[in-house]
Amino acid sequence: KAGVTQTPRYLIKTRGQQVTLSCSPISGHRSVSWYQQTPGQGLQFLFEYFSETQRNKGNFPGRFSGRQFSNSRSEMNVSTLELGDSALYLCASSYNSGPSYNEQFFGPGTRLTVL
Amino acid sequence: EDKVVQSPLSLVVHEGDTVTLNCSYEVTNFRSLLWYKQEKKAPTFLFMLTSSGIEKKSGRLSSILDKKELSSILNITATQTGDSAIYLCAVPRYSGGGADGLTFGKGTHLIIQP
Repeated sequence: KAGVTQTPRYLIKTRGQQVTLSCSPISGHRSVSWYQQTPGQGLQFLFEYFSETQRNKGNFPGRFSGRQFSNSRSEMNVSTLELGDSALYLCASSYNSGPSYNEQFFGPGTRLTVL
Repeated sequence: EDKVVQSPLSLVVHEGDTVTLNCSYEVTNFRSLLWYKQEKKAPTFLFMLTSSGIEKKSGRLSSILDKKELSSILNITATQTGDSAIYLCAVPRYSGGGADGLTFGKGTHLIIQP
């Protein structure tokens, strides 16, 4: 079974631009979560999508948005990039979002550098 | 706001040593705690703990949860250079009827010197 894939793996942008990152979950997984990882703040939850609906959102500004498609693939968009948005963006998929925790499988991440 | 704190933030030991990594949490709706190992990019799952006092073991790694103390430890015995990694502790967030997303600690950066 193929793992979680993320594209692109590396991205360099300049301040003020916008960026779209893509995540393809493990086949059969319907939940996709996004995280931002920086040396100072560690791994922080951005948002989670399940069946094309955003179920929860972390403490990030509205410049960070996402969506999920009917095939469970998800995209994350960051508009008006700031230097502080430079980070590793990780996507994780799980089977569902039921009452019990379902193990999340992480993708390799997209390394975003904002100049 | 849920909070997960790990200590130490970094640790350098020699091969063969035993290490203990700590994780404490303050969460509104605790049900489980997870440990991950992150070597290069993707964190990989190690353990999930739900019951206090029950040790989970996998080879040289073991972990235990103490719900009274709101904490967990991860032990690695007879360390090897391949154990060098960032070890992350996380607690699932629960809202409504289900779990969504994880709250992570900042991690312990473990370096094993030959």
